[in-house]
Amino acid sequence: KAGVTQTPRYLIKTRGQQVTLSCSPISGHRSVSWYQQTPGQGLQFLFEYFSETQRNKGNFPGRFSGRQFSNSRSEMNVSTLELGDSALYLCASSRRGMIAESTDTQYFGPGTRLTVL
Amino acid sequence: AQSVTQLDSQVPVFEEAPVELRCNYSSSVSVYLFWYVQYPNQGLQLLLKYLSGSTLVKGINGFEAEFNKSQTSFHLRKPSVHISDTAEYFCAVIPNQAGTALIFGKGTTLSVSS
Repeated sequence: KAGVTQTPRYLIKTRGQQVTLSCSPISGHRSVSWYQQTPGQGLQFLFEYFSETQRNKGNFPGRFSGRQFSNSRSEMNVSTLELGDSALYLCASSRRGMIAESTDTQYFGPGTRLTVL
Repeated sequence: AQSVTQLDSQVPVFEEAPVELRCNYSSSVSVYLFWYVQYPNQGLQLLLKYLSGSTLVKGINGFEAEFNKSQTSFHLRKPSVHISDTAEYFCAVIPNQAGTALIFGKGTTLSVSS
């Protein structure tokens, strides 16, 4: 079956702009998580959505937001872009997501590389 | 709080040599453990995972890892590497409690040369 897809694959924006990234999970997966990957900080968790609700959130400013639609597709938005937001943004999907005693495995998409100039 | 330490940032090896990528974790609760691989300009691909049961876990592409609870380690091994194994490898844990995310190590770059 098809894997996790992310669009666009590459984006170039300037400081102060906003950007929206999209993620389509594996069919049947209801949980979508977003991660930011940078050379300095590595992979960091942004937030998780499950059944259209944000269920968990990492330690990122409010400029980072997201939403999930009824078909489980998710979008991530970053407003007022800063140079430090340049990163690879990865989306991962799983069936149940971050619940107690979860043995759910997250499957990652190819990522969207955002460059902020 | 939980943390993951990958002890080597870069591991250069020759083709057909064995390799071990080391991972240690710290957690006050039980965890599930994962190894992911990332090829250039790609996302993360799951290599293997330890959830319970046998401490020796076999994954894709000939990789295996052993969970050692007393040493809080989950080292990744392959008896004979190929050029195509050149990639970045991430060890990750997820605590066995509600509302927690994958916690990743900083990654180990495996460079295989002929």
